[in-house]
Order: sequence, then C-alpha cells, then structure tokens
Amino acid sequence: QKEVEQDPGPLSVPEGAIVSLNCTYSNSAFQYFMWYRQYSRKGPELLMYTYSSGNKEDGRFTAQVDKSSKYISLFIRDSQPSDSATYLCAMYDEGGSEKLVFGKGTKLTVNP
Amino acid sequence: DTAVSQTPKYLVTQMGNDKSIKCEQNLGHDTMYWYKQDSKKFLKIMFSYNNKELIINETVPNRFSPKSPDKAHLNLHINSLELGDSAVYFCASSRREVSSYEQYFGPGTRLTVT
Repeated sequence: QKEVEQDPGPLSVPEGAIVSLNCTYSNSAFQYFMWYRQYSRKGPELLMYTYSSGNKEDGRFTAQVDKSSKYISLFIRDSQPSDSATYLCAMYDEGGSEKLVFGKGTKLTVNP
Repeated sequence: DTAVSQTPKYLVTQMGNDKSIKCEQNLGHDTMYWYKQDSKKFLKIMFSYNNKELIINETVPNRFSPKSPDKAHLNLHINSLELGDSAVYFCASSRREVSSYEQYFGPGTRLTVT
C-alpha cells in the first residue's frame, strides 16, 4: 500500500459546483496535511495546510482532516474556471523523515 | 522578484550526456530540495540540503549529484543521462526550524533525453 493514495481523476465539473478532493494515507505519524495546487507547466504552490485533525477554511476552500480514518479532503465552493489545475495532497511527519510525501494529484477542470 | 528560480527551463539532450540544473532562492530559507515529477505527475523528493548539509538522500542513481555552494543555491548534476531521466525537475525551499512542510517551488526544468 502506498503511503498516500489520491484518485488522479480527471474530474470535470460545471462552474459553480462544489468540488470534493480526497486522499487517504497509511502512516499514522503524519501531523501536517497540505494541499498544493499546480497549474499546467508550473510549479506546485501551497494552497492550505492543516495541523492534526480538524477543519480549516480559507475563502472558498475548506480542508478537512480525519486522523482516525486517515482521510483528508479539500472542498472548493462555487468553483471557477480559474480553479482548473492539478491538486496534490501532501503529508509531513515533523519528527520523522522530514520529507513531504505527495499523492499523485487530481486533475480538475471547471467548465464555464 | 522571483522567489525560487531554476535554469534552464527546458533541456533537451542526448543519452549519455552530462547536464546541470541550477536553482536559486531569495526567500532567506535554509533548506532546499530537488523533486522529480514523472509523466504521470507523481512528485517525489530526491534530495534535501539544510545550510549546505545533505539531510535527505532518497534512493536515486548515483549519476545524480546535488551540490549546494551556499544556502541560497542548490544545483543538480546528472551524469550519463538515460531515457528514463526524462521528467520535470523541481527545486523547492523552506525554513526548516519553522515550517518544513511549507515549501515554495520553482517553475521546474523540463528535461527530455533522446
């Protein structure tokens, strides 16, 4: 089993839809959970991070972490064509390997 | 005022050649990384340097050799290039003692080996 599993999609939604992106993981030592957004032919950029379990909201984006289920989610409300990108979840074990472990990324297209 | 920059952006070369990719960051970060993103978009760490000291050295062929002349620069030299080395290579940086999970990525170097 890979450390981080993420459905690669692709996912295509109409403008204004609510988007749900998810990852599961196997390493219970992960404490930081990130979502990176990567536009085509660009480097990934950090969108949001969450420490431990719980929710975090930033504008139209909400990140959720359920450590008991080893499951994280990113919700995008009122999705826009400019949200079209690949979304990568990433996880970090501060006291362990000190490396980000990425999911494979989900390619999202928001159609006008 | 680019935060993390890489040169070159594109690199096309033949098998067996040796090439280098350069990375510079002006964020004042103390840790820099090299990642490889394959054709399936899977992003995997290769190396990490903290204040010029190698701290992460994943299982990569020893044809790949990172070099950090100072904490703002991290270069990647690749010897005897192979077809399988074709990928996008990303440099990233962070502040290790504060938030290593918050990494800033460069624009990538698209390497094509023919």
